[in-house]
Amino acid sequence: DQQVKQNSPSLSVQEGRISILNCDYTNSMFDYFLWYKKYPAEGPTFLISISSIKDKNEDGRFTVFLNKSAKHLSLHIVPSQPGDSAVYFCAASVQGGSEKLVFGKGTKLTVNP
Amino acid sequence: EPEVTQTPSHQVTQMGQEVILRCVPISNHLYFYWYRQILGQKVEFLVSFYNNEISEKSEIFDDQFSVERPDGSNFTLKIRSTKLEDSAMYFCASTISSGRLHEQFFGPGTRLTVL
Repeated sequence: DQQVKQNSPSLSVQEGRISILNCDYTNSMFDYFLWYKKYPAEGPTFLISISSIKDKNEDGRFTVFLNKSAKHLSLHIVPSQPGDSAVYFCAASVQGGSEKLVFGKGTKLTVNP
Repeated sequence: EPEVTQTPSHQVTQMGQEVILRCVPISNHLYFYWYRQILGQKVEFLVSFYNNEISEKSEIFDDQFSVERPDGSNFTLKIRSTKLEDSAMYFCASTISSGRLHEQFFGPGTRLTVL
């Protein structure tokens, strides 16, 4: 039951370039999407989110794009820095109720100096 | 900056034993969650807790699991009789009651190893 899918297990980019992480979802009830970053031996850390009423949200070097018709979202990191190297999880939830998060499997980003 | 804390960081137990994983959510948060991540797999929702009762639980959260908020600060997950397949990282999360409801703050996790 993969309601949230991150099809790229890993991504390697050069410092200063753009990192693009992708996420697809199947449940059309999802109306809120989040990206979390996770370092080894730590819990997931919230990065950025987007509501389904928007198609873009920007926070500094991080921008999330949402394409509802394609059920696709992406996280852009510009410029990428070595400290961005981590596992990035896409998560989705439905407003109301418990608002549990449904996670993708994650993409391991490596930013090379 | 307030943070979610979890103890212990690593718990090793024998199959069939009971374990209690402890969490201290952020003090003004009212919604609490447990998630787990089996090695190499995705983070999975276990249970959500609000107003001293379970608001939702997953299929994983069977009768062997229970949660409690015994004293207004701690939030515990108990597994009554552990199985090998319970070996995983267990994450506690909490969120504030309204506004940024969806932004859940996670603790560093407890690694549970069942032998």
